[in-house]
Amino acid sequence: EAQLVESGGGLVQPGGSLRLSCAASGLTLNSYNMNWVRQAPEKGLEWISYISGSGTSIYYADSVKGRFTISRDNARNSLYLQMNSLTAEDTAVYYCATSGNYRLDYWGQGTLVTVSS
Amino acid sequence: DIQMTQSPSSLSASVGDRVTITCRASQSISSYLNWYQQKPGKAPKLLIYLASSLQSGVPSRFSGSGSGTDFTLTISSLQPEDFATYYCQQSSSMSWTFGQGTKVEFK
Repeated sequence: EAQLVESGGGLVQPGGSLRLSCAASGLTLNSYNMNWVRQAPEKGLEWISYISGSGTSIYYADSVKGRFTISRDNARNSLYLQMNSLTAEDTAVYYCATSGNYRLDYWGQGTLVTVSS
Repeated sequence: DIQMTQSPSSLSASVGDRVTITCRASQSISSYLNWYQQKPGKAPKLLIYLASSLQSGVPSRFSGSGSGTDFTLTISSLQPEDFATYYCQQSSSMSWTFGQGTKVEFK
């Protein structure tokens, strides 16, 4: 069964950095385009970043552009999100998700990032 | 960015009811519209992709329709496990955007 597991969330001070990871099992990540989607407490879903299977195409939402960096290591079957210059507005559950054929089909369970002093 | 607007934001319904949720895009997105279900504390689950295709394993009481700017998710006979929040999402152009969600509550 395909499974995505996020890790790396936690409490960080404003202005700080955090690196999230997404490990895949039951599927070979290099066959999938990958995304990060976040959800602030009691709020809706926000897509924030995409990376193609080869890693050659990358996109970001304006809200994180210049602060967040998506990357992948297909040899390790893993996806990453480096988050810098964090603010309270970045507090959210962060999900990784595969995207094939224009849809987000497999999702991880999410990891909580809290930005607070 | 393309804005997605869902209506209503919430609704109350009973088991067995027919439920309809609408989603409107700020510009034409052809059929690049997906629907997700999310239960509290859980990750979203894909229900419908490309406006009207049912994701594998999703019950046939769920259906989607529409193209261009106006889309609909219909639950033909609401079941107890369907009480959740539903989101539409466009994949016509990066950056992908979601509607604000529709919470389906028990009447």
